[in-house]
Amino acid sequence: SQTIHQWPATLVQPVGSPLSLECTVEGTSNPNLYWYRQAAGRGLQLLFYSVGIGQISSEVPQNLSASRPQDRQFILSSKKLLLSDSGFYLCAWSEFQGQAHNEQFFGPGTRLTVL
Amino acid sequence: AQSVTQLDSQVPVFEEAPVELRCNYSSSVSVYLFWYVQYPNQGLQLLLKYLSGSTLVKGINGFEAEFNKSQTSFHLRKPSVHISDTAEYFCARRGPGRRALTFGSGTRLQVQP
Repeated sequence: SQTIHQWPATLVQPVGSPLSLECTVEGTSNPNLYWYRQAAGRGLQLLFYSVGIGQISSEVPQNLSASRPQDRQFILSSKKLLLSDSGFYLCAWSEFQGQAHNEQFFGPGTRLTVL
Repeated sequence: AQSVTQLDSQVPVFEEAPVELRCNYSSSVSVYLFWYVQYPNQGLQLLLKYLSGSTLVKGINGFEAEFNKSQTSFHLRKPSVHISDTAEYFCARRGPGRRALTFGSGTRLQVQP
């Protein structure tokens, strides 16, 4: 069966520090991968998605970047964190079939607090 | 632009009472609709999805939703809620040519004893 992992679970970082959040998927090959952010009291905003190794699409301009160094690994990074980067970061995956109805499976999330 | 509107940010309800969480979406030629539930400090779990066919969709934990194309709605219902249903519920859509989901802002269901 497929599983998705995120770490760390929680993170407190000072403004201006770097960030690296990791997401890995097991039990599937060539998945679509997604990073979402959930700010306090708000819905989920898509940040990045990837359809293959090294292929990253950015949905919104921001202080963050994403990379996919391996098929089932998706990394969210920042060189210098801002206060507005605080939130709950969710990684998700879906089967790579190109059909619109594929279900997305979410990881447990990382709660980031920038002070 | 594709959008999803959840009209209620919070819905308080007593245990064993019925509940409806409202969701409206921007019209599209074709659309796929989803309801997810999020328990505190956890990821999202799929409750149900509408892809095509019957407009009444049954999901897990006794939830169901009805796709109404004329009203562009996909309201979530449960005839009798439990304390354990207390969580945040998100409506989402995926339109043609889009890989990712567009989420509503969420509705917090608070079930009181």
